Amino acid sequence: EPEVTQTPSHQVTQMGQEVILRCVPISNHLYFYWYRQILGQKVEFLVSFYNNEISEKSEIFDDQFSVERPDGSNFTLKIRSTKLEDSAMYFCASKAQLQETQYFGPGTRLLVL
Amino acid sequence: AQKVTQAQTEISVVEKEDVTLDCVYETRDTTYYLFWYKQPPSGELVFLIRRNSFDEQNEISGRYSWNFQKSTSSFNFTITASQVVDSAVYFCALSRLNNAGNMLTFGGGTRLMVKP
Repeated sequence: EPEVTQTPSHQVTQMGQEVILRCVPISNHLYFYWYRQILGQKVEFLVSFYNNEISEKSEIFDDQFSVERPDGSNFTLKIRSTKLEDSAMYFCASKAQLQETQYFGPGTRLLVL
Repeated sequence: AQKVTQAQTEISVVEKEDVTLDCVYETRDTTYYLFWYKQPPSGELVFLIRRNSFDEQNEISGRYSWNFQKSTSSFNFTITASQVVDSAVYFCALSRLNNAGNMLTFGGGTRLMVKP
């Protein structure tokens, strides 16, 4: 069964460094998403992406964040200058056209020191 | 704005007991989707069930069943004959139907502990 994959599974970085989180969505899906979950808290929407552009973003998704689909398979989330409060689990999700269910990857746990 | 509330933060049951997880939502949309996701200790988010707002028929799928009541804005989820492997955090989520990509709004989650 097709799955969303994410790399790396864990990343530790220093405050102020740039990080890129990578996702490979399910191959025939056209809608892509990033969510984050601060430890012990709810899952929060960051951004949705369709047809090579951002379709919706939350207040969390400020100028420090960007997304890109650099090729036909990868979907990336870049944090330009990480802050301590960016420490969280980041989930990528994808959805097929005309379907309602988003399928999530296993997450990348980011720790900013 | 959309909001999902899961009032139960933690539930503890003994194996084989039935358990119901509550979910109440707020939305101004007339058409929307409701979901339950499971997050086991390993951390991933696993899709369990989906319900459309225009279909209030309640269903059973194996040990899972759900009770969607539009009149009370509730979407409760029941596990019958719980097992230790059901121990996880369960999230209720809501998405609206729009062209912008159907972002999910999650509740705070209910941690279910099933003891042997």
